[in-house]
Amino acid sequence: EVQLVQSGAEVKKPGESLRISCKGSGYSFTNYYISWVRQMPGKGLEWMGRIDPSDSYTNYSPSFQGHVTISADKSISTAYLQWNTLKASDTAMYYCARGGGIDYWGQGTLVTVSS
Amino acid sequence: EIVLTQSPGTLSLSPGERATLSCRASQSVTSSYLAWYQQKPGQAPRLLIYGASTRATGIPVRFSGSGSGTDFTLTISRLEPEDFAVYYCLQYGSSPWTFGQGTKVEIK
Repeated sequence: EVQLVQSGAEVKKPGESLRISCKGSGYSFTNYYISWVRQMPGKGLEWMGRIDPSDSYTNYSPSFQGHVTISADKSISTAYLQWNTLKASDTAMYYCARGGGIDYWGQGTLVTVSS
Repeated sequence: EIVLTQSPGTLSLSPGERATLSCRASQSVTSSYLAWYQQKPGQAPRLLIYGASTRATGIPVRFSGSGSGTDFTLTISRLEPEDFAVYYCLQYGSSPWTFGQGTKVEIK
Protein backbone atom coordinates (compact mmCIF):
# COMPACT_ATOMS: atom_id res chain seq x y z
CA GLU A 1 0.00 0.00 0.00
CA VAL A 2 1.37 3.38 -1.02
CA GLN A 3 1.65 5.74 1.93
CA LEU A 4 3.06 9.21 2.49
CA VAL A 5 3.37 9.91 6.20
CA GLN A 6 4.12 13.46 7.25
CA SER A 7 5.60 14.81 10.45
CA GLY A 8 3.37 16.31 13.11
CA ALA A 9 1.93 19.76 13.62
CA GLU A 10 4.32 22.58 14.47
CA VAL A 11 3.93 25.86 16.34
CA LYS A 12 6.71 28.35 15.70
CA LYS A 13 7.51 32.03 16.16
CA PRO A 14 8.25 34.45 13.32
CA GLY A 15 11.90 34.37 12.36
CA GLU A 16 12.41 30.76 13.45
CA SER A 17 13.45 27.95 11.14
CA LEU A 18 11.58 24.73 10.46
CA ARG A 19 11.86 21.50 8.51
CA ILE A 20 8.93 19.16 8.00
CA SER A 21 9.15 15.69 6.53
CA CYS A 22 7.29 13.23 4.35
CA LYS A 23 8.17 9.53 4.35
CA GLY A 24 7.12 7.38 1.44
CA SER A 25 6.48 3.66 1.64
CA GLY A 26 4.89 0.92 -0.41
CA TYR A 27 6.55 1.96 -3.67
CA SER A 28 9.93 2.76 -5.15
CA PHE A 29 10.62 6.22 -3.74
CA THR A 30 13.03 7.21 -6.50
CA ASN A 31 10.53 6.51 -9.29
CA TYR A 32 8.15 9.38 -8.54
CA TYR A 33 8.40 13.13 -7.95
CA ILE A 34 7.38 14.46 -4.56
CA SER A 35 5.56 17.80 -4.61
CA TRP A 36 4.68 20.12 -1.74
CA VAL A 37 1.32 21.89 -1.73
CA ARG A 38 0.21 24.71 0.54
CA GLN A 39 -3.33 25.32 1.72
CA MET A 40 -3.82 28.46 3.75
CA PRO A 41 -6.78 28.52 6.16
CA GLY A 42 -10.04 28.46 4.22
CA LYS A 43 -8.25 28.79 0.89
CA GLY A 44 -7.37 26.70 -2.13
CA LEU A 45 -4.42 24.52 -3.08
CA GLU A 46 -1.11 26.05 -4.18
CA TRP A 47 1.69 24.02 -5.79
CA MET A 48 4.99 25.05 -4.20
CA GLY A 49 7.49 22.87 -6.01
CA ARG A 50 8.73 19.36 -6.53
CA ILE A 51 11.79 17.18 -6.23
CA ASP A 52 12.95 14.17 -8.19
CA PRO A 53 14.25 11.91 -5.41
CA SER A 54 16.47 9.97 -7.81
CA ASP A 55 18.80 12.93 -8.36
CA SER A 56 17.40 15.63 -6.03
CA TYR A 57 16.60 17.92 -8.97
CA THR A 58 14.13 20.54 -7.79
CA ASN A 59 11.66 22.82 -9.51
CA TYR A 60 9.89 25.63 -7.66
CA SER A 61 6.91 27.83 -8.28
CA PRO A 62 8.10 31.44 -8.64
CA SER A 63 5.76 32.28 -5.77
CA PHE A 64 7.83 30.16 -3.39
CA GLN A 65 11.31 30.24 -4.92
CA GLY A 66 13.84 31.57 -2.42
CA HIS A 67 11.56 31.27 0.57
CA VAL A 68 11.50 27.49 1.00
CA THR A 69 13.85 24.62 0.23
CA ILE A 70 12.77 21.18 -0.90
CA SER A 71 15.15 18.29 -0.38
CA ALA A 72 15.12 14.52 -0.14
CA ASP A 73 17.10 11.65 1.34
CA LYS A 74 16.47 8.66 -0.87
CA SER A 75 18.27 6.33 1.54
CA ILE A 76 15.37 6.76 3.98
CA SER A 77 12.63 7.52 1.40
CA THR A 78 11.96 10.91 2.92
CA ALA A 79 11.36 14.34 1.44
CA TYR A 80 11.60 17.61 3.32
CA LEU A 81 10.27 21.15 3.18
CA GLN A 82 12.35 23.74 4.98
CA TRP A 83 12.10 27.38 5.96
CA ASN A 84 15.03 29.42 7.29
CA THR A 85 12.92 32.38 8.38
CA LEU A 86 9.26 31.80 9.07
CA LYS A 87 6.62 34.49 8.71
CA ALA A 88 3.12 34.65 10.13
CA SER A 89 1.88 34.30 6.56
CA ASP A 90 3.42 30.81 6.40
CA THR A 91 0.64 29.57 8.66
CA ALA A 92 -1.03 26.85 6.62
CA MET A 93 -1.53 23.16 6.06
CA TYR A 94 1.25 21.66 3.98
CA TYR A 95 0.78 18.48 1.99
CA CYS A 96 3.33 16.31 0.29
CA ALA A 97 2.10 14.42 -2.74
CA ARG A 98 3.43 11.86 -5.19
CA GLY A 99 3.99 11.99 -8.89
CA GLY A 100 2.90 14.01 -11.87
CA GLY A 101 -0.83 13.76 -12.04
CA ILE A 102 -0.44 13.70 -8.28
CA ASP A 103 -2.01 10.44 -7.17
CA TYR A 104 -1.22 10.00 -3.47
CA TRP A 105 -1.19 12.61 -0.76
CA GLY A 106 0.20 12.78 2.74
CA GLN A 107 -2.13 13.54 5.62
CA GLY A 108 -0.87 17.12 5.89
CA THR A 109 1.25 19.01 8.41
CA LEU A 110 -0.29 22.06 10.05
CA VAL A 111 2.25 24.82 10.57
CA THR A 112 1.27 27.70 12.82
CA VAL A 113 3.52 30.74 13.00
CA SER A 114 2.58 33.17 15.73
CA SER A 115 4.31 35.42 18.18
CA GLU B 1 2.71 30.33 -15.84
CA ILE B 2 -0.58 28.73 -16.84
CA VAL B 3 -3.53 30.19 -14.95
CA LEU B 4 -6.47 27.85 -14.42
CA THR B 5 -9.88 29.44 -13.93
CA GLN B 6 -12.63 27.25 -12.52
CA SER B 7 -16.30 28.03 -12.85
CA PRO B 8 -18.67 28.38 -11.26
CA GLY B 9 -17.24 29.24 -7.87
CA THR B 10 -20.15 27.51 -6.16
CA LEU B 11 -22.65 25.04 -7.57
CA SER B 12 -25.86 24.48 -5.61
CA LEU B 13 -27.52 21.22 -6.58
CA SER B 14 -29.67 18.46 -5.15
CA PRO B 15 -28.70 14.79 -4.83
CA GLY B 16 -29.42 12.98 -8.08
CA GLU B 17 -28.75 16.03 -10.23
CA ARG B 18 -25.95 16.37 -12.77
CA ALA B 19 -22.96 18.57 -11.97
CA THR B 20 -20.81 20.16 -14.66
CA LEU B 21 -17.61 21.87 -13.55
CA SER B 22 -15.37 23.87 -15.86
CA CYS B 23 -11.60 24.46 -15.81
CA ARG B 24 -10.25 26.90 -18.38
CA ALA B 25 -6.51 27.39 -18.95
CA SER B 26 -4.80 30.61 -20.02
CA GLN B 27 -2.79 28.60 -22.55
CA SER B 28 -2.90 25.12 -23.93
CA VAL B 29 -2.22 22.34 -21.40
CA THR B 30 0.56 20.08 -22.66
CA SER B 31 -0.55 16.58 -23.59
CA SER B 32 -3.79 16.98 -21.65
CA TYR B 33 -1.85 16.76 -18.40
CA LEU B 34 -4.89 17.89 -16.44
CA ALA B 35 -6.16 16.28 -13.24
CA TRP B 36 -9.21 16.72 -11.02
CA TYR B 37 -9.33 16.38 -7.23
CA GLN B 38 -12.04 16.24 -4.62
CA GLN B 39 -11.44 17.67 -1.16
CA LYS B 40 -13.71 17.35 1.85
CA PRO B 41 -13.29 19.39 5.04
CA GLY B 42 -10.39 18.23 7.16
CA GLN B 43 -9.16 15.79 4.53
CA ALA B 44 -6.37 15.67 1.98
CA PRO B 45 -7.43 15.95 -1.66
CA ARG B 46 -8.30 12.77 -3.54
CA LEU B 47 -7.42 12.15 -7.17
CA LEU B 48 -10.48 11.63 -9.37
CA ILE B 49 -9.27 12.09 -12.96
CA TYR B 50 -5.85 12.32 -14.62
CA GLY B 51 -4.81 12.83 -18.22
CA ALA B 52 -8.01 14.90 -18.58
CA SER B 53 -10.29 11.86 -18.91
CA THR B 54 -8.88 8.77 -17.14
CA ARG B 55 -10.59 7.82 -13.89
CA ALA B 56 -8.24 7.02 -11.04
CA THR B 57 -8.40 3.64 -9.35
CA GLY B 58 -11.58 3.13 -7.38
CA ILE B 59 -13.34 6.25 -8.63
CA PRO B 60 -17.03 5.65 -9.43
CA VAL B 61 -18.13 5.79 -13.06
CA ARG B 62 -20.44 8.73 -12.33
CA PHE B 63 -17.29 10.89 -12.42
CA SER B 64 -16.03 11.69 -15.91
CA GLY B 65 -13.54 14.12 -17.36
CA SER B 66 -13.30 15.59 -20.82
CA GLY B 67 -11.61 18.32 -22.79
CA SER B 68 -8.31 19.28 -24.32
CA GLY B 69 -6.26 22.34 -25.09
CA THR B 70 -7.60 25.07 -22.84
CA ASP B 71 -11.07 23.82 -21.91
CA PHE B 72 -11.73 20.94 -19.54
CA THR B 73 -14.83 19.64 -17.81
CA LEU B 74 -15.55 17.39 -14.84
CA THR B 75 -19.01 15.88 -14.90
CA ILE B 76 -20.74 14.07 -12.04
CA SER B 77 -23.66 12.32 -13.68
CA ARG B 78 -25.86 11.90 -10.60
CA LEU B 79 -24.79 13.51 -7.36
CA GLU B 80 -24.57 11.26 -4.33
CA PRO B 81 -24.60 12.75 -0.80
CA GLU B 82 -20.87 12.06 -0.45
CA ASP B 83 -20.05 14.11 -3.57
CA PHE B 84 -20.71 17.46 -1.94
CA ALA B 85 -17.20 18.86 -1.61
CA VAL B 86 -14.70 21.22 -3.22
CA TYR B 87 -13.18 20.25 -6.57
CA TYR B 88 -9.86 21.44 -7.96
CA CYS B 89 -8.18 21.07 -11.32
CA LEU B 90 -4.39 20.83 -11.67
CA GLN B 91 -2.25 21.19 -14.78
CA TYR B 92 1.04 19.30 -14.61
CA GLY B 93 2.23 19.66 -18.17
CA SER B 94 4.13 22.93 -17.80
CA SER B 95 6.24 24.22 -14.97
CA PRO B 96 5.19 25.63 -12.62
CA TRP B 97 2.30 23.26 -12.10
CA THR B 98 -0.81 25.20 -11.14
CA PHE B 99 -4.18 24.57 -9.48
CA GLY B 100 -7.48 26.21 -10.22
CA GLN B 101 -9.11 28.12 -7.38
CA GLY B 102 -11.73 25.43 -6.78
CA THR B 103 -15.46 24.88 -7.25
CA LYS B 104 -17.61 24.14 -4.22
CA VAL B 105 -20.50 21.77 -4.86
CA GLU B 106 -23.06 22.35 -2.14
CA ILE B 107 -26.43 20.89 -1.31
CA LYS B 108 -29.31 23.00 -2.55
